[in-house]
Amino acid sequence: ETGVTQSPTHLIKTRGQQVTLRCSSQSGHNTVSWYQQALGQGPQFIFQYYREEENGRGNFPPRFSGLQFPNYSSELNVNALELDDSALYLCASRGFGTPSSILTFGAGSRLTVL
Amino acid sequence: KNEVEQSPQNLTAQEGEFITINCSYSVGISALHWLQQHPGGGIVSLFMLSSGKKKHGRLIATINIQEKHSSLHITASHPRDSAVYICAVRIQGAQKLVFGQGTRLTINP
Repeated sequence: ETGVTQSPTHLIKTRGQQVTLRCSSQSGHNTVSWYQQALGQGPQFIFQYYREEENGRGNFPPRFSGLQFPNYSSELNVNALELDDSALYLCASRGFGTPSSILTFGAGSRLTVL
Repeated sequence: KNEVEQSPQNLTAQEGEFITINCSYSVGISALHWLQQHPGGGIVSLFMLSSGKKKHGRLIATINIQEKHSSLHITASHPRDSAVYICAVRIQGAQKLVFGQGTRLTINP
């Protein structure tokens, strides 16, 4: 059973709408990262948060934004949805700087944009 | 050219066979992850390597930092090993994780 939970598991939106995806990190993990995985592709890094601050970002436009809360849970927000935003969104947590920074992934949120 | 390349992209084998999946990368890294993804999306972290070799059950992962290459081996493969195996590297000095495109493994009974 995974220690990272994501919600919702599935959702359908239309172009132009906004979406918020949520992630609860594994206990003791203070770093969370988000990934977009299009069908048949490997995941792409969106950004990472450490202690409520973004400390790394991939090649995603500003309409992809995030938050990390004091309890280390996190949100991914996407504004002005486009058809190409349809994907599986994964979050992963880890303990920053720990000797074995194994990533623990959530099961993902599958977003369909119509 | 992708920073992380995996081979093969697809692999089908019979139960019991020894499996090797390869990962080559072209950037400096601080760590390399091997991940397993089953249908439906859930990803499980198998190994994190920065040098040498690790073993867990029937799985063995090796990395050669000088050659920028890693391999994942499965001994005595079983149909339940069928999944997509993904190699991901943490770029040195950055927080970014770069993923390979994955290797789809199918083990037939």
